[in-house]
Amino acid sequence: EPEVTQTPSHQVTQMGQEVILRCVPISNHLYFYWYRQILGQKVEFLVSFYNNEISEKSEIFDDQFSVERPDGSNFTLKIRSTKLEDSAMYFCASSESHTVNIQYFGAGTRLSVL
Amino acid sequence: AQSVTQLDSQVPVFEEAPVELRCNYSSSVSVYLFWYVQYPNQGLQLLLKYLSGSTLVKGINGFEAEFNKSQTSFHLRKPSVHISDTAEYFCAVSLNSGGYQKVTFGIGTKLQVIP
Repeated sequence: EPEVTQTPSHQVTQMGQEVILRCVPISNHLYFYWYRQILGQKVEFLVSFYNNEISEKSEIFDDQFSVERPDGSNFTLKIRSTKLEDSAMYFCASSESHTVNIQYFGAGTRLSVL
Repeated sequence: AQSVTQLDSQVPVFEEAPVELRCNYSSSVSVYLFWYVQYPNQGLQLLLKYLSGSTLVKGINGFEAEFNKSQTSFHLRKPSVHISDTAEYFCAVSLNSGGYQKVTFGIGTKLQVIP
């Protein structure tokens, strides 16, 4: 069964460093998303991406964040200068259809900022 | 804007007993409803979904949920739980307008199955 793949599973970084989280969405999907889950809190929407541009972003998704689809398969989330409060589980999701939005999630990347 | 309320943060239940995890949503427009499950140290897996049609939807692992529009609820049920059902369950909603609608999650309910 097709699945969303995320790498790495765990990323440890120093505060102020740049990190790139990688995702390979399901191959025929057109819509891509990033969510995050701070420990003990809700899963929160960060950004949606379609046709090589951001469709919607939350207030969390400030100038420190960026997304990119550098080739036909990868979808990345970059955090330019990590803060302690960026420590969270980051989930990538993708969906196929513009008529029915069923999102499939990856296993997540746990980001630990020290 | 839509929102989701899961009233129970933790639900302990004995093995082979029935369970219901409660979910209420709020939205001014039509929505799609989902339940996701997160096993320990794993990602979010789609358990079941309500898009349209029959209000009783069946999912994987013997779970089912019933959409009740008048009560704006989408409770998850299983008639007999197994130890392997121990996980966190998230109710979620997205707008019924297609495309790139974000999913809004509830806080999650931790199901603890007791042997």
